[in-house]
Amino acid sequence: GAVVSQHPSWVICKSGTSVKIECRSLDFQATTMFWYRQFPKQSLMLMATSNEGSKATYEQGVEKDKFLINHASLTLSTLTVTSAHPEDSSFYICSARGQGRLNTEAFFGQGTRLTVV
Amino acid sequence: SQKIEQNSEALNIQEGKTATLTCNYTNYSPAYLQWYRQDPGRGPVFLLLIRENEKEKRKERLKVTFDTTLKQSLFHITASQPADSATYLCALPPGGSNYKLTFGKGTLLTVNP
Repeated sequence: GAVVSQHPSWVICKSGTSVKIECRSLDFQATTMFWYRQFPKQSLMLMATSNEGSKATYEQGVEKDKFLINHASLTLSTLTVTSAHPEDSSFYICSARGQGRLNTEAFFGQGTRLTVV
Repeated sequence: SQKIEQNSEALNIQEGKTATLTCNYTNYSPAYLQWYRQDPGRGPVFLLLIRENEKEKRKERLKVTFDTTLKQSLFHITASQPADSATYLCALPPGGSNYKLTFGKGTLLTVNP
């Protein structure tokens, strides 16, 4: 149990276009979802925290108008990278936490490799 | 803010030996600390959680210790196997929240056959 599915696993897009990444909790209700970005050989950097039905909370330095997060249901959160540029190329990973026993650890999706050309 | 140091960027050991990875943190002591495994191009996978009032936690060939005086956690893999080769990440909640996680850069472990 406690599976998080992220889609797509990789995407290549042209500079200036927008890309949407989906994160789904398949067998539990994710009360909170987190979005991270990871550059090569670097740590996971938290971008934002989202709770179902409310606005996401962004970390300092993360542009909320560029990285749009929607958490419309307890099983789905989306991250849209708007007007993507080559410097946005990175590995984006979502994680989800549930309630009770599922609150102890974070369950991660498999990540999305974004390449902006 | 909390700073996490995993002081070995890479560690190479021989199969069958025990791998020991270190995680040091600055500032306040967190309520808990977690270890994750990350394979190339994949998301992290949870391994173990240890709470501030626990000295040691074990799970099969894995052992984690937590020394709040030294502000350090050690992660051990006994009888290591080539399949254990991966990046291991230390994570703990940052200040002001027990819900978010701050990650270290990780240690790339390579177990040679």
